[in-house]
Amino acid sequence: ETGVTQSPTHLIKTRGQQVTLRCSSQSGHNTVSWYQQALGQGPQFIFQYYREEENGRGNFPPRFSGLQFPNYSSELNVNALELDDSALYLCASSLAGSRNTIYFGEGSWLTVV
Amino acid sequence: RKEVEQDPGPFNVPEGATVAFNCTYSNSASQSFFWYRQDCRKEPKLLMSVYSSGNEDGRFTAQLNRASQYISLLIRDSKLSDSATYLCVASIQYGNKLVFGAGTILRVKS
Repeated sequence: ETGVTQSPTHLIKTRGQQVTLRCSSQSGHNTVSWYQQALGQGPQFIFQYYREEENGRGNFPPRFSGLQFPNYSSELNVNALELDDSALYLCASSLAGSRNTIYFGEGSWLTVV
Repeated sequence: RKEVEQDPGPFNVPEGATVAFNCTYSNSASQSFFWYRQDCRKEPKLLMSVYSSGNEDGRFTAQLNRASQYISLLIRDSKLSDSATYLCVASIQYGNKLVFGAGTILRVKS
């Protein structure tokens, strides 16, 4: 167990809808990153949050947004869902400034129909 | 060109075989390198970090060549349980954005 939990594990949404995915980081980890992994691809970096502020963003449109809360839990929000948003969404937590391992949650499988 | 490139495979090998995976990265500012293992429909898990001096963990050996921007993973005495996708990863700053390759599929058969 990595101590990183994500919810929901699976969900199906319709094109144009909005979705919120949640992540509870490992205790003490103040940095959380989100990744999108499409079928047959490696995970792609969406963004990272450190102490509730966005701290780096990948090549994703603004309809992908996030939040990090004081307890270091996090949300990924995606608006105006498109079919290509169907993927595994992974949350990863770590302790900034250390060489500790980055821990991934089990992911949320999103299917957009 | 992708930042991290891997041969997608699949590599089909018999138990006990030695298999090697290669990976190249394009960003010369990359400082940290890793191999992750991902089982079907599961999250990636860190297999090992990769250092310039090379490092070994049991049956697994990783090498980094910064001049050629090349990373390798060698698996000796393959086990059925080694069947998975192996992801090559580079990072500019430790703990920062991880850049993954698309993964190499390994299938070990009895």
